[in-house]
Amino acid sequence: DTEVTQTPKHLVMGMTNKKSLKCEQHMGHRAMYWYKQKAKKPPELMFVYSYEKLSINESVPSRFSPECPNSSLLNLHLHALQPEDSALYLCASKRTPGANVLTFGAGSRLTVL
Amino acid sequence: DQQVKQNSPSLSVQEGRISILNCDYTNSMFDYFLWYKKYPAEGPTFLISISSIKDKNEDGRFTVFLNKSAKHLSLHIVPSQPGDSAVYFCAASALRGKLIFGQGTELSVKP
Repeated sequence: DTEVTQTPKHLVMGMTNKKSLKCEQHMGHRAMYWYKQKAKKPPELMFVYSYEKLSINESVPSRFSPECPNSSLLNLHLHALQPEDSALYLCASKRTPGANVLTFGAGSRLTVL
Repeated sequence: DQQVKQNSPSLSVQEGRISILNCDYTNSMFDYFLWYKKYPAEGPTFLISISSIKDKNEDGRFTVFLNKSAKHLSLHIVPSQPGDSAVYFCAASALRGKLIFGQGTELSVKP
């Protein structure tokens, strides 16, 4: 299994909703990432988990809450989002924090109304 | 401060010809460089990489060249195929740290 699987592929939510994005990998990777990508822009790093512990938070607003329940799963909990948070949210993983190549999932397209 | 720059937002090439995508960087501490390819509504897919101790890496139709003195790298695709049409991101890291992405170049290969 060489994939990073993200669900849902599409999500529409209101500004008062609570929802979650999920990411799963079974490659034994021990570093997992959340990126945000707006149209025509490069991916922007949000969070990094190394060995299931949060190691980097790129000053992301608290309405985004990451969680890493185990080495295969990564969640991003969403609450009270703004329309400008609409974007493609990408999960990625690496074999170890020190490895060079990131493997990305297909992304979850989020629309906030 | 944009540390990785792809100055061409788009490139159009005829099928069978060479595509050359360029990337410039400013941080001399970068020691590993990667190219990712992205189709619409999909995540980026790793394409090819190069370490700063090399000046060329080849994988099939794809070759990456690194010129450290000019802080410049390029991706050559030859021959180009219509399926290569996508957005290509250059990325760099220092000491296996955070990946910094360029703005991307949209390649269109016309039949």
